[in-house]
Amino acid sequence: DVKVTQSSRYLVKRTGEKVFLECVQDMDHENMFWYRQDPGLGLRLIYFSYDVKMKEKGDIPEGYSVSREKKERFSLILESASTNQTSMYLCASSLFRVGQPQHFGDGTRLSIL
Amino acid sequence: AQSVTQPDIHITVSEGASLELRCNYSYGATPYLFWYVQSPGQGLQLLLKYFSGDTLVQGIKGFEAEFKRSQSSFNLRKPSVHWSDAAEYFCAVGNFGNEKLTFGTGTRLTIIP
Repeated sequence: DVKVTQSSRYLVKRTGEKVFLECVQDMDHENMFWYRQDPGLGLRLIYFSYDVKMKEKGDIPEGYSVSREKKERFSLILESASTNQTSMYLCASSLFRVGQPQHFGDGTRLSIL
Repeated sequence: AQSVTQPDIHITVSEGASLELRCNYSYGATPYLFWYVQSPGQGLQLLLKYFSGDTLVQGIKGFEAEFKRSQSSFNLRKPSVHWSDAAEYFCAVGNFGNEKLTFGTGTRLTIIP
């Protein structure tokens, strides 16, 4: 079974802090994704990466950056956290092959005070 | 651009009753389609996928879905629901040449005794 692990289930930070969310997958997947999930809005893609050091913006990249230095690890960075970034963040991974499903971690519920 | 519509925000069914959750997609070519389930506080778990071939696909936990090209639909069904099926369900669509998925806004399922 694919295992996608997010480093924290719950996180509380203050406005203006730099926040790191970490995600690790153990199945040698090429693709990794960061989403945020808000009630009534479903999942919205923030960034994705299809290879080490490669990244593409998703639908809502503003206020976020990412880092992928190793294949198994994909980090989401909030450069200066704001209250409107309070949300559930989900990481996913998939094989670089047509039709492959994405496999999700359990999510990080981030609160910015 | 591809899009997914889940017209029902919330559905309530009695335990033992049948279930159908609706999903409509918008995309010009043949898509590939997924249904995911999310229990409270958890990530998304893959229920089933349609890639090609037989339009009726079987998934885990007794779920099935039928791809109907003429109706641009991929509805999820279960003949008899269990209290443990209470969760949020997401439909997602992808297309060839694009690693990203587009998710619907979800349908929350409540089961009553």
